[in-house]
Amino acid sequence: DQQVKQNSPSLSVQEGRISILNCDYTNSMFDYFLWYKKYPAEGPTFLISISSIKDKNEDGRFTVFLNKSAKHLSLHIVPSQPGDSAVYFCAASESGGSNYKLTFGKGTLLTVNP
Amino acid sequence: EAQVTQNPRYLITVTGKKLTVTCSQNMNHEYMSWYRQDPGLGLRQIYYSMNVEVTDKGDVPEGYKVSRKEKRNFPLILESPSPNQTSLYFCASMRWGQLNQPQHFGDGTRLSIL
Repeated sequence: DQQVKQNSPSLSVQEGRISILNCDYTNSMFDYFLWYKKYPAEGPTFLISISSIKDKNEDGRFTVFLNKSAKHLSLHIVPSQPGDSAVYFCAASESGGSNYKLTFGKGTLLTVNP
Repeated sequence: EAQVTQNPRYLITVTGKKLTVTCSQNMNHEYMSWYRQDPGLGLRQIYYSMNVEVTDKGDVPEGYKVSRKEKRNFPLILESPSPNQTSLYFCASMRWGQLNQPQHFGDGTRLSIL
C-alpha cells in the first residue's frame, strides 16, 4: 500500500514559468514532509520541508504548501530554470515515531525547457 | 564539506560472494540509515541506526546486515548476495535530538548481482 503518492511521473514546463509538483499521502500520522531533488548518478538532495503545524514554507524560488485536511502537499518553483530539471521526490515521516524513516513517493521527472 | 560518502559507487559481483558497502559521514550525525531504490518502488528503508551500537530493521531488511561501531560509519553487509538484491543503494544521515531534521544522502551505490 503506497502511503505517499506522486501521481505525475513527469512534468514539462517552459523556463520562467511556474512548476507545480503534487504529492498525496494516506497516513494521518505523518507530520513532517520533505522534498528532495535528484540528478542522475547523484543522491537525493534535500530541497525544502514543512511540518504539519504550518501550511506554507518558502525558500527562495521554492514554496511548499500543505493541506492537511486533503492530505496533499505541493511544491511550487517560480520561476523555473533549466537547472531545475531533475527527479523530485516527496517524502514524509512521523516525528514522534521510534524510527525516523522517510516514506518516499515514486518521484516526478521535471523538465524545464529553455 | 559536509557529506555522506559511499563506496564503492558501482559493483558487479556474483551470487553468494560476500560484499560490504561502506558509508561514512563527517557531520557527527547520530542517525544513519540505508535505503534501496528500485524501479517503480521508490526508496525503501533497509536498516537504520539511532547511534553507536543501536541498529534496527527497516521495511526490507532480509538478506542484509549492518553494524555501527563508530558514529561516522554504517556499513551495509550482504553475506550471501542474490540477484534480487540488484539495486541502487543510498546511505543517509541525520542529526537526532532536534525536531524535524532532514536526512542527507550519499551519491548511491549501484549493485549488480549476477
